[in-house]
Amino acid sequence: AQSVTQLDSHVSVSEGTPVLLRCNYSSSYSPSLFWYVQHPNKGLQLLLKYTSAATLVKGINGFEAEFKKSETSFHLTKPSAHMSDAAEYFCVHGSGNTGKLIFGQGTTLQVKP
Amino acid sequence: DTAVSQTPKYLVTQMGNDKSIKCEQNLGHDTMYWYKQDSKKFLKIMFSYNNKELIINETVPNRFSPKSPDKAHLNLHINSLELGDSAVYFCASGVVETQYFGPGTRLLVL
Repeated sequence: AQSVTQLDSHVSVSEGTPVLLRCNYSSSYSPSLFWYVQHPNKGLQLLLKYTSAATLVKGINGFEAEFKKSETSFHLTKPSAHMSDAAEYFCVHGSGNTGKLIFGQGTTLQVKP
Repeated sequence: DTAVSQTPKYLVTQMGNDKSIKCEQNLGHDTMYWYKQDSKKFLKIMFSYNNKELIINETVPNRFSPKSPDKAHLNLHINSLELGDSAVYFCASGVVETQYFGPGTRLLVL
């Protein structure tokens, strides 16, 4: 069965420092992987997606993620955190043609001034 | 223009009542979804419809019934509300796995 595990429930960084949000996946086939962001009391916004093309995926707002099959990881990074990046981040595994998405537990990103 | 909209945004009701949440998308997608986010922010799919046909029906109580009058709308009706139904319900539409979410409906059952 497909699953994703977000290794940190809470990450705190200072503004201007790098962000690393970790995600490992388990899949019986070549996965589609996504990162979504949820700002407080808002809906979810797609940050980026990996669908077996380039292993380094660039998303919106300066975020990127690298697919590493050998490590079964899909970590999200950003070189310099901004206060507006404070939010909940979800790593998501797609389940093929059904469109069913399997969500990780979420990582709360706190950005300190 | 809002791509995926939900009404109401907030819903406070008593146990045992019946309530509906409406969802509309103007993206032209054939597939729409309902997700439930619990108090720990865990998100899980409930249903999906493709062009008015039920595709995914997870292990959701029969009290929950989705209805799709056309491919731009997917409503969620909940009968006999229970305390455990309190959550945020998100509607989404998309093409296969790339989905666009609505702002959510915060349901509180007292």
